[in-house]
Amino acid sequence: GENVEQHPSTLSVQEGDSAVIKCTYSDSASNYFPWYKQELGKRPQLIIDIRSNVGEKKDQRIAVTLNKTAKHFSLHITETQPEDSAVYFCAASTGAQKLVFGQGTRLTINP
Amino acid sequence: DAMVIQNPRYQVTQFGKPVTLSCSQTLNHNVMYWYQQKSSQAPKLLFHYYDKDFNNEADTPDNFQSRRPNTSFCFLDIRSPGLGDAAMYLCATSRDPGQGYEQYFGPGTRLTVT
Repeated sequence: GENVEQHPSTLSVQEGDSAVIKCTYSDSASNYFPWYKQELGKRPQLIIDIRSNVGEKKDQRIAVTLNKTAKHFSLHITETQPEDSAVYFCAASTGAQKLVFGQGTRLTINP
Repeated sequence: DAMVIQNPRYQVTQFGKPVTLSCSQTLNHNVMYWYQQKSSQAPKLLFHYYDKDFNNEADTPDNFQSRRPNTSFCFLDIRSPGLGDAAMYLCATSRDPGQGYEQYFGPGTRLTVT
């Protein structure tokens, strides 16, 4: 089955700097790659997703890139702000109704 | 405009005392999921329904059961909760995910076992 590895497990950046979180997946049939943000005690919320027919997607300060050949995808947050502090999860899906999540990255933005 | 609703938000139960958690949705989505999440770990899928079809994960203990009486509601039953079952339980929904669709999460029920 699918396996998703996420790195780093913790990331601390200065406010205004960029943050990058990376994930690799094992199943070449995976075709949907969402990123979720989870603040302490709250539900995971989708922040951006990408499908396998696209190499990059951007939404304001957030972007995701996908390299199907290498089977990895990355989340890029630019001009980080204190409210970006949260746990971020990547996930992959083959479309068979299930998401396989990465282990999560705790992002801390230092003022 | 809540889309995925979970009740209760906090549940305290005694060791071994059955407990039921509830999830409802206003999205008319085909698929409903139950996840267990412990202390900032990734959500762990317990099972899901695709319409009325129940799909159990291989490593979900028999202690966990689920019911989906109609499109809108889904229940998680824990027959004999142990201390290790204390966690956040998240319900999520998705449209027919043939091409991969967003999963919408409810706010979760935090279960404490005493």
